[in-house]
Amino acid sequence: AQKITQTQPGMFVQEKEAVTLDCTYDTSDQSYGLFWYKQPSSGEMIFLIYQGSYDEQNATEGRYSLNFQKARKSANLVISASQLGDSAMYFCAMREGAASYDKVIFGPGTSLSVIP
Amino acid sequence: DTAVSQTPKYLVTQMGNDKSIKCEQNLGHDTMYWYKQDSKKFLKIMFSYNNKELIINETVPNRFSPKSPDKAHLNLHINSLELGDSAVYFCASSDIRASGYEQYFGPGTRLTVT
Repeated sequence: AQKITQTQPGMFVQEKEAVTLDCTYDTSDQSYGLFWYKQPSSGEMIFLIYQGSYDEQNATEGRYSLNFQKARKSANLVISASQLGDSAMYFCAMREGAASYDKVIFGPGTSLSVIP
Repeated sequence: DTAVSQTPKYLVTQMGNDKSIKCEQNLGHDTMYWYKQDSKKFLKIMFSYNNKELIINETVPNRFSPKSPDKAHLNLHINSLELGDSAVYFCASSDIRASGYEQYFGPGTRLTVT
């Protein structure tokens, strides 16, 4: 079964608008971590934001925020005030377990295109 | 200063050859990983090492052999290369001191097997 689901293979957003990228996950662990990574066309993987399963507040990093709904097992990424440089693939990922070396599983990704 | 570096960036080789990819991190992290990203951009863990000890060994053909000579280095050796090995291989590292143990990735090595 898919552990990480990203239902939007491709998304478009107008520059300066906000956009939400969906992510749902499946785990029976109580302790886990959720991540979002960005992969621009140049290929590098860039860490954006992290949410721990016990964190009560939604994580925020600059224009990125993670909308964490634990009961629904969703961890959507919200990008505010989109910029042309936000055009990229975005991957949701989950670490099951509390150890730093526990396996991280990546979703299939969402391709975001920002339109000027 | 490059945090996680990989060499080479591109590797083109013929089927049946043996090749190695090197990875080094200067972040002082204790855990390192190898990932494979296929042509559909799907990213899958292959191996992880924690303090030079193999922790994760996914269902990977035994033609792939990682080696960690020290905490800062994790190399990947591939024997008898096959067409299906063509992919981008990413090295990553993570730090136990970080709140989420988030992983920092190298630039990737694009392997093309002809």
